[in-house]
Order: sequence, then C-alpha cells, then structure tokens
Amino acid sequence: QLQLQESGPGLVKPSETLSLTCTVSGGSISGTTTYYWGWIRQPPGKGLEWIGYVYDSGTTYYNPSLKSRVTMSVDTSKNRFSLKLTSVTAADTAVYYCARHSPSFYASSGYYGDIDRWGQGTLVTVSS
Amino acid sequence: DIQLTQSPSSLSVSVGDRVTITCQASQDISNYLNWYQQKPGKAPILLISGASNLETGVPSRFSGSGSGTDLTFTISSLQPEDIATYYCQQYDSLPLTFGQGTRLDIK
Repeated sequence: QLQLQESGPGLVKPSETLSLTCTVSGGSISGTTTYYWGWIRQPPGKGLEWIGYVYDSGTTYYNPSLKSRVTMSVDTSKNRFSLKLTSVTAADTAVYYCARHSPSFYASSGYYGDIDRWGQGTLVTVSS
Repeated sequence: DIQLTQSPSSLSVSVGDRVTITCQASQDISNYLNWYQQKPGKAPILLISGASNLETGVPSRFSGSGSGTDLTFTISSLQPEDIATYYCQQYDSLPLTFGQGTRLDIK
C-alpha cells in the first residue's frame, strides 16, 4: 500500500525558506506507471490550494500565484520529493500535504488531475 | 485560473437525508471534475473522478453528475460517517483549483 509522509520544520520565521520532504513508501516514485508528485496546502480553517507538482524527470508545474517562490524537486534514489517556498509570511501558515497525482482513468484532460494518495499533512507555522 | 463556486457553503443535515451539492465553474470544464471528502484533521479522500465515476471502495450512495459549468454531487441517504467537508476540484487546466468546500453538520 503506497504511503506518503511529510517531514520538515513545523515553525519557520518570516522571510525565511520553508522546506518540506515527502517520503514515499510501498511503491516507487519512478515506476513504470506515470504519476506526478505534488503539494497542496490548507490554511487553518480554510480550503485547499494546489501548489504544484513534479515529475520524476524533474519537470514541474507550479501555481502561478506562488511560482516566483516555489521550487519542487525529486530524488528518485531516495524515493522522495521536496518543496521549497521562499520569503514566507504569516499567510503561508498552513497544513501542507504531499500527494500523488494520477491521470483520470475515466475522463482524461491531459493533466494529472486525480489526487489519489495523500500524506497525513504537516502543519507549518510562520512566526518569529 | 478556473474558479469553482460550491453551494451551499454549509448544510445542516439529518441521517437519511438526501444531500445535493453543486459546483459551478467559471468556464466550461466538460466532465473534468473530481469530488473529495475531508474529515477534521485528516487528508482529503478522492471519491469521484471524471464527474460521475466512483473510486474503488466508495459506497454507492455517493454519486456525481453534470458537465460543462454546472456539476452536482449527491449523497442519496446520509450516514453518520458522511459528516465531513466536501470539495470539488477541476483538472480541465492548470493550475488545478478547488471549490471553497461544503461543510455538513448534524441538524
């Protein structure tokens, strides 16, 4: 059973860089089936915001609202992928989820839109 | 970006109720829409893909329909374990976007 687990600091100071890693177990991040590996965040008491995703080749797609501050990468040798968000403010305080993105089996748009495996989420608070 | 507007934002329900949530898209998204269930403190779970297709293991009381700009999610007979927040999400184009969520609570 595929599992994803986020790790990283729970507290980041304003203007610094948020760094999270998602370790994948129970399956390979670069197996024969194609997936994208991404991040979604949820501010306390609010809705979901898609941050972006990365393919095992390193190809990335970022939400334009965060693009200037986001970097995602994959380490296939360690079966994990990472998120860096620079110049954080209190508005970046959220639960961050890592997740597997699959192409829809039923209705293919060409994008990997089915977010079908999620980590448990990790709360990152931005505060001095 | 494609905006998704869910209605209602919250709903007080009773066990056995039929529950309907709508998701209106700011442009035609065909049937490129998913529905998720999220319980407090937990990650969302994908329930329906491609507007109307149940993921494996999802009870048949859940269903989805529609295409274009107006899509619908239905629980035919609400069970206690269905109390959660439900989100729609489009994958017609990037960035992927979510509706603001519909929270169900017990009347």
